[in-house]
Amino acid sequence: QKEVEQNSGPLSVPEGAIASLNCTYSDRGSQSFFWYRQYSGKSPELIMSIYSNGDKEDGRFTAQLNKASQYVSLLIRDSQPSDSATYLCAVSSMRGSSNTGKLIFGQGTTLQVKP
Amino acid sequence: GAGVSQSPSNKVTEKGKDVELRCDPISGHTALYWYRQSLGQGLEFLIYFQGNSAPDKSGLPSDRFSAERTGGSVSTLTIQRTQQEDSAVYLCASSFRQGARGYTFGSGTRLTVV
Repeated sequence: QKEVEQNSGPLSVPEGAIASLNCTYSDRGSQSFFWYRQYSGKSPELIMSIYSNGDKEDGRFTAQLNKASQYVSLLIRDSQPSDSATYLCAVSSMRGSSNTGKLIFGQGTTLQVKP
Repeated sequence: GAGVSQSPSNKVTEKGKDVELRCDPISGHTALYWYRQSLGQGLEFLIYFQGNSAPDKSGLPSDRFSAERTGGSVSTLTIQRTQQEDSAVYLCASSFRQGARGYTFGSGTRLTVV
């Protein structure tokens, strides 16, 4: 069973701090990695994508990918109370070297940013 | 349309009844997915349509569940003889090119079986 694992949290950080969310995956052939944000009672919203090793920055968000360690992370700088949500890691599902077209989602990490 | 549209937004049904959930994907998106999310749980894959290819039904939990996609656009997920364990939020998503750039989700249908 190909899996994506996240710590369910909650992860609590003070306003203005850096929040670090982590995800590991089991399918070494995965090529595409995504972070979704889900507010309570709402549907997931795509906030970051990353496809190659290293860092990718978008505003206060930085995604980090290390394929050798099968690890992807999301850093949120200057955390705001409005960042309080569940963050879902999603990884492309492979069959051999072919992308199946499906994403495998982790269970999500709940982030609480306290004023 | 501008986004993925799902209807109804809420559905309460009696155990044993059939329900139909509708999804209208973003125009031009060739891939369409159904997931469900039970309270406090992650996303459970149900079924995936890509263009004119045969759908990937590997996630359907039982033969009470079926889905179709007409004309490469609108999709309907049907649950026959609903059970209480079917209560969940059913999410539809669409994408270009087999999800290579991620999915866009609709707002979901909250199904409650009483």
